[in-house]
Amino acid sequence: AQSVSQHNHHVILSEAASLELGCNYSYGGTVNLFWYVQYPGQHLQLLLKYFSGDPLVKGIKGFEAEFIKSKFSFNLRKPSVQWSDTAEYFCDVNAPYNQGGKLIFGQGTELSVKP
Amino acid sequence: EADIYQTPRYLVIGTGKKITLECSQTMGHDKMYWYQQDPGMELHLIHYSYGVNSTEKGDLSSESTVSRIRTEHFPLTLESARPSHTSQYLCASSDSYGYTFGSGTRLTVV
Repeated sequence: AQSVSQHNHHVILSEAASLELGCNYSYGGTVNLFWYVQYPGQHLQLLLKYFSGDPLVKGIKGFEAEFIKSKFSFNLRKPSVQWSDTAEYFCDVNAPYNQGGKLIFGQGTELSVKP
Repeated sequence: EADIYQTPRYLVIGTGKKITLECSQTMGHDKMYWYQQDPGMELHLIHYSYGVNSTEKGDLSSESTVSRIRTEHFPLTLESARPSHTSQYLCASSDSYGYTFGSGTRLTVV
C-alpha cells in the first residue's frame, strides 16, 4: 500500500536552530512531492514542490527539500528557524497518474519555535 | 477512525448534471476547507469557512459553491458539471490544535 511517513509528530526548537523534518514514502512509481505549511488558524500553503530535475528544491521563506530517490525520502530543511515558522508541516506524495485515487498525505509535523 | 467524512469516494457523472460532494466532521471545528487537486499536482484552496453562515472563495477560481448551515457540514455543489471539473476534491477542518483531512472525492465528468 502507498503511504507517507513523517517521522516526527512534534518538534520543538529554539530560534536560529537548524530544522530537518523527515518524510518517507512507499510507492514504486514516479511521484511528485510537496511540502505544505499550515500556520495557526490559516489554510494550507505550498512551501515547495518537486517534479523532476535538480533533487534539491528551494521554496519560500528559506525552506528547501532534497529528494533522495534511493531512500524514498523528501526531507524538509531550513538552516535557521524563526519564531514565525511555528506551524504544522505536511508532506504530500502524489502520483502523476491516478493510483486508485488515494490521497497520500503525511500525518503532519507540528513545529514549535521558542523565541 | 476518521473524524471527517467525505462522500462519495468516487463519482463518475455526465456533463450538465448537478452534483453535491458531502463533507462532515464530528470534531466541532469552526474552520473548514475545500481543496482541489489534480493528479500529481499541488492542492489549491477553492473554498473555506470560518463558521456557520460564513463562506469565502479561495485562491483558485472555481465554479462550485458551498454552504455552511451547520458546524459539522460543509457540502460543495457544482450546478452543471463539465469535464474540466474532473479532479480530486479534498475537504479539511481545523482548530488551534491541528488540521484533519478527509479521504477525498475523485470526480470524473464524462
